[in-house]
Amino acid sequence: DAGVIQSPRHEVTEMGQEVTLRCKPISGHDYLFWYRQTMMRGLELLIYFNNNVPIDDSGMPEDRFSAKMPNASFSTLKIQPSEPRDSAVYFCASSLGDPRGGTEAFFGQGTRLTVV
Amino acid sequence: KQEVTQIPAALSVPEGENLVLNCSFTDSAIYNLQWFRQDPGKGLTSLLLIQSSQREQTSGRLNASLDKSSGRSTLYIAASQPGDSATYLCAVNDDYKLSFGAGTTVTVRA
Repeated sequence: DAGVIQSPRHEVTEMGQEVTLRCKPISGHDYLFWYRQTMMRGLELLIYFNNNVPIDDSGMPEDRFSAKMPNASFSTLKIQPSEPRDSAVYFCASSLGDPRGGTEAFFGQGTRLTVV
Repeated sequence: KQEVTQIPAALSVPEGENLVLNCSFTDSAIYNLQWFRQDPGKGLTSLLLIQSSQREQTSGRLNASLDKSSGRSTLYIAASQPGDSATYLCAVNDDYKLSFGAGTTVTVRA
């Protein structure tokens, strides 16, 4: 398996523009997570899905952020409108089964977002 | 709210020396703990996962211990190599999500 695949790897956009980040989880994994990594706050969970259904989006910082998972092999994280403080590395991760049961989380390479 | 702390923040050792990385967490009601490695500009690579019922887990030169009652885990890397240079992150699972420490950046000098 190719692992969790994220695109694009790097994104530079102007403030106010819409940004869409994409993720393909490992085939067969039924949990998908979006994390954000910044120098100030480290890695934080934004939202997670189970069987394509959003379960907990309490980590989404503002209404400007939205995430979807239309099918088991694809998820998007959208920021509209983007702001400079959204600059960070966004990671997608997936796991097979309930994480509380001890299944490992596998992370993608991340998307480095810069909003100027 | 779970707080995860990793000490030290950075570590530099000569090749061949054993590495000891520490992780502490405030809420001991965890399901499991996972250690990751992150290389600059790259994603996270899972190294070891320890279930809450386990005391330790081993993989090659890596050994991780868990003392849940005291809220501590230690990652040991034996006979370090320059290729072990990276940032090591500890993450605890007390719900569906992982709560991460800030990481320990390791430099192994040849």
